Amino acid sequence: QLQLQESGSGVVKPSQTLSLTCTVSGVPISGGASSWSWIRQPPGQGLEWIGYISHSGPTSYNPSLQSRVTMSIDRSKNHFSLKLSSVTAADTAVYYCARGVSTVPKTFDVWGQGTMVTVSS
Amino acid sequence: EIVMTQSPATLSVSPGDRATLSCRANQSVSSNLAWYQQKPGQAPSLLIYGASTRATGVPARFSGSGSGTEFTLTISSLQSEDFAVYYCQQYNNWPRTFGQGTKLEIK
Repeated sequence: QLQLQESGSGVVKPSQTLSLTCTVSGVPISGGASSWSWIRQPPGQGLEWIGYISHSGPTSYNPSLQSRVTMSIDRSKNHFSLKLSSVTAADTAVYYCARGVSTVPKTFDVWGQGTMVTVSS
Repeated sequence: EIVMTQSPATLSVSPGDRATLSCRANQSVSSNLAWYQQKPGQAPSLLIYGASTRATGVPARFSGSGSGTEFTLTISSLQSEDFAVYYCQQYNNWPRTFGQGTKLEIK
């Protein structure tokens, strides 16, 4: 059974880089018609899609964050990662990783439990 | 970017009653529309895709309809476990975008 688990820094100082990893268990990250996304949710607010990476490497990012986002995939560790640079308080949110149905994400059928990231000095 | 607008922001309904939630796109998304349910402290869960197809394991009391710019999620007979926040999401265009959510609360 596919499961996703986020891990990484819970508190990040302003102007620094947020780093998160999503460990995939139950299926190989390179197998099947899946893509891997990051989605965030500021406290008390709605959902924002950050971007995705496919197992073969292509990525696509939300234009609103594109200049600050980098995603990568490590097939040997069966995980994928998010880096968000130059963070501000507006980046404080619960960050979810999620599997996209198909190699280009449409809907998101499996989600991690989410990890809270707070930007604070 | 396609903007998804949900209404109402909060809907108060009694258990056993029907709930109707709306989602509007500012341009056509065809039938590339999904609905998610989110309970407090949990990740969202996929309910509906293709505007009207229930995801695996979703009870038949959940139904979706619409195409183009106007969509509806209907819950036919509310159970206690259905009180949650519901989000719509379009996947017709990039970036993928979500509505701001409708909170379904017990009346």
